[in-house]
Amino acid sequence: EAGVTQFPSHSVIEKGQTVTLRCDPISGHDNLYWYRRVMGKEIKFLLHFVKESKQDESGMPNNRFLAERTGGTYSTLKVQPAELEDSGVYFCASSPGQGKAVTPLHFGNGTRLTVT
Amino acid sequence: SQQGEEDPQALSIQEGENATMNCSYKTSINNLQWYRQNSGRGLVHLILIRSNEREKHSGRLRVTLDTSKKSSSLLITASRAADTASYFCATDAGGKLIFGQGTELSVKP
Repeated sequence: EAGVTQFPSHSVIEKGQTVTLRCDPISGHDNLYWYRRVMGKEIKFLLHFVKESKQDESGMPNNRFLAERTGGTYSTLKVQPAELEDSGVYFCASSPGQGKAVTPLHFGNGTRLTVT
Repeated sequence: SQQGEEDPQALSIQEGENATMNCSYKTSINNLQWYRQNSGRGLVHLILIRSNEREKHSGRLRVTLDTSKKSSSLLITASRAADTASYFCATDAGGKLIFGQGTELSVKP
C-alpha cells in the first residue's frame, strides 16, 4: 500500500506570502492529523480530521492557519500570511479506526517550511 | 503544557551496547507509543503499550510503563549503527497523540 505522501518536501517563502501544504493519507484512513516541529522542539499537535470533519483543532496557532480535507480524502494546510515563526517541519499522519484510543499513526516525510 | 518529555535529550553509545530512553507524562492515558525518526524522514511507529500493561517486547525493543509514576522507558538491546535516529514517546490522552522533544540516539560503529 502507498504510504502517506506530503507535498512539497521543501518550501522557502518570504514573510507575508502564502503557502499551501498538501497531504495524501493512506487510502481508507479516516483519521488525518497535522503536526509541526519547530527547531528541535517537541512535535506539536495542530489538528485532527475524522473523514472531512475537524474533530479537534485546538493546536492551530492562530487564524493564519487554515486546514481543509476535501471529501474526506487529501488535506491541505494553508498559511496566510506566513510569519517567521511559522518555519518548521509540518508532518501529516493518518490512521484507520474509529475507536476511542489512538491507533498507531502512519507519518509522511514532512514538509520543511522556511519563512525568510 | 508538554505531555511527553524524553530523557536524555541526547545519547551516544557504541555498537553492541544497550540504550535506555525515558519518558514522563502528566495526565492519565489510554496508551503510550514510541516512534523513531531518521533524519529527513517521517516518524515510524515502533511499539504501543496500553495503560493496563506493564511491559512489552518487540524484537530488540523492550518498553515498560509505570502509570503510578507516569513514566515509560524504551530499551534497545545490542544496538546497531542503523539504530541511530531520534526516538519519541507519544501519549494518547484522548483522540490525539501528544509527543515530546525526543531523544537523539547516536550509535557509533
